[in-house]
Amino acid sequence: GQSLEQPSEVTAVEGAIVQINCTYQTSGFYGLSWYQQHDGGAPTFLSYNALDGLEETGRFSSFLSRSDSYGYLLLQELQMKDSASYFCAVVRGFQKLVFGTGTRLLVSP
Amino acid sequence: DAGVTQSPTHLIKTRGQHVTLRCSPISGHKSVSWYQQVLGQGPQFIFQYYEKEERGRGNFPDRFSARQFPNYSSELNVNALLLGDSALYLCASSPGTSEAQYFGPGTRLLVL
Repeated sequence: GQSLEQPSEVTAVEGAIVQINCTYQTSGFYGLSWYQQHDGGAPTFLSYNALDGLEETGRFSSFLSRSDSYGYLLLQELQMKDSASYFCAVVRGFQKLVFGTGTRLLVSP
Repeated sequence: DAGVTQSPTHLIKTRGQHVTLRCSPISGHKSVSWYQQVLGQGPQFIFQYYEKEERGRGNFPDRFSARQFPNYSSELNVNALLLGDSALYLCASSPGTSEAQYFGPGTRLLVL
């Protein structure tokens, strides 16, 4: 079988740093992606890690440890607009994503 | 450049009916994937097409089918609708050369 675990909700204040963890159990693992989804909106691609280590894109960074079946998304200098749901997704094959249940991030002033 | 477009945006059907959802990928993208998202959950993979061939199928019944046309647009068909098919149906396109997928706004289907 396959499973991905993320915290259901995380709260933080503007300007802070927050880390959203993702652990996974799956076969056919190619890499780990992260997507952001605002209420009523479509998922938006944030990052993809195929190899172990940290990938940085602006205020967002993503980390992967294949040996630990673990990854995280790090959001720095939080802004109100970062309030959204964040999904980790295992890439199981060519363009095939298996999504987690998502983490709702609430950023307060 | 236009993003992924889907039609219709909303749809109401009754049990047992059939529905066709349409998707136009970003220009130049040859890969189209379909996902079902139930409220409060992550999207679930249904189908993936690349160069008009089915390359992947998720754990959905045979009532679900799809196809990709020569212009890379795609249709998702669902027969014999059930109440549980009520969901947001998302289409995503990709050039096929990276793992980034670009999602359309979705079609919100309500089955009564």
